[in-house]
Formats: sequence, structure tokens, C-alpha cells
Amino acid sequence: DAKTTQPPSMDCAEGRAANLPCNHSTISGNEYVYWYRQIHSQGPQYIIHGLKNNETNEMASLIITEDRKSSTLILPHATLRDTAVYYCIVSNNAGNMLTFGGGTRLMVKP
Amino acid sequence: GAVVSQHPSWVICKSGTSVKIECRSLDFQATTMFWYRQFPKQSLMLMATSNEGSKATYEQGVEKDKFLINHASLTLSTLTVTSAHPEDSSFYICSGWTSGKADTQYFGPGTRLTVL
Repeated sequence: DAKTTQPPSMDCAEGRAANLPCNHSTISGNEYVYWYRQIHSQGPQYIIHGLKNNETNEMASLIITEDRKSSTLILPHATLRDTAVYYCIVSNNAGNMLTFGGGTRLMVKP
Repeated sequence: GAVVSQHPSWVICKSGTSVKIECRSLDFQATTMFWYRQFPKQSLMLMATSNEGSKATYEQGVEKDKFLINHASLTLSTLTVTSAHPEDSSFYICSGWTSGKADTQYFGPGTRLTVL
């Protein structure tokens, strides 16, 4: 699986959009980009995933660059409950193992 | 999304005893289940992958005789930590995979194991 690079931490004001970047320059053509988040002392929560098109669901939007070497997870209106560690993972199949890197610790502040 | 439960949510045991952790997919059939371990302030590390009715595949460095995994049905997998020692104290998390519209892994809430 391709390696991902994320900033270790980010702050965001409550009510503003949180934009979390992820670099995956060695991603292969058949690999998806997955985003999960982990709130303290809980299991990871699935957020969204995509292959090459931008995706949106009730939680977030995923913007993937045309060359697929990077992506951005957007939480449109961050709340205090969005404070968590966000993991960007690339994998050719979620039925295979997911390799968790360090993630980005997002702190949403009032 | 799909729901995965774990039991117990936390357990404290004495060194040398064995502990069993259950992982259940409540509203879907998990063809594959995964077991992860997470030490404080670290990321999740995959321990093993199990397919229903088959022997688990363990990651390098994980002792298969110490961490026994049983995946007897499409909705239940168990992890037994045998002869637990303080260094086995960790947060154990399982996940289930289901193919379909949202082809992704769904994670349980985790089990906090403390070995005294």
C-alpha cells in the first residue's frame, strides 16, 4: 500500500471549514483514498473514501487532485465534537489490511 | 453505517491469566475481520487478519500461540490473549469488512486491557 503524509496537528475554529490535507504521491491506479477518524479512546470511524472523483456524504467532502497524488478532507462546519485524530489511508481494497500512519490531530476550538 | 461491537469494553486481569475479547458485526456479515492493537499515543497496528472458517494470518512479530483468534461465523470473531503479561496491556480494536455499496472496514469501540 502507498504511504501517506499528513501534518501532525491542525487547529480549526468552531463553525468554520476544516481542510485536512494528505499527500500520497506513490498511489497506484487501483488504490482508493480512505479517511477515518478516531476520537479519544474509541475505535476509528469511517468517514469517506474515493478513487479519483470528488466525493461527498453527510459527514464530509473528499477532494482528490487530478494526478491523485494528494487529497483534502473537508469538514464544512466543524464542531467541538469533530476534535479527533484523522487518518488518511490508501488501499486497493478495504478487504485488505489498512495501514494507519500518524494521522492529523484536529483540534476544534470555540 | 454498519455496527461492530466488542465485549468487554475494558478488562483488568492478573499476570499469567488468559483473557477473551469478542468482536461482533451486528447488522452485516463480515467476510473478513481484523484485529489491531494500539499503545498509548501511537497509531493502530494490525495484529492479524481472519476469514470466516479459516486460520488467521498474523503480522510479523505477533505470536500466534499467544494471541489466539477464532472466526467461527460471519458475525463473530474472538481474540484470546493467553498467559497475559503487563506488556500486553493495550487497546485492542477489531474491524469487519463487508463488500457492497460502502466497501470499507467498520471498527468496534475497542477493548482496554490492563494486565497487573
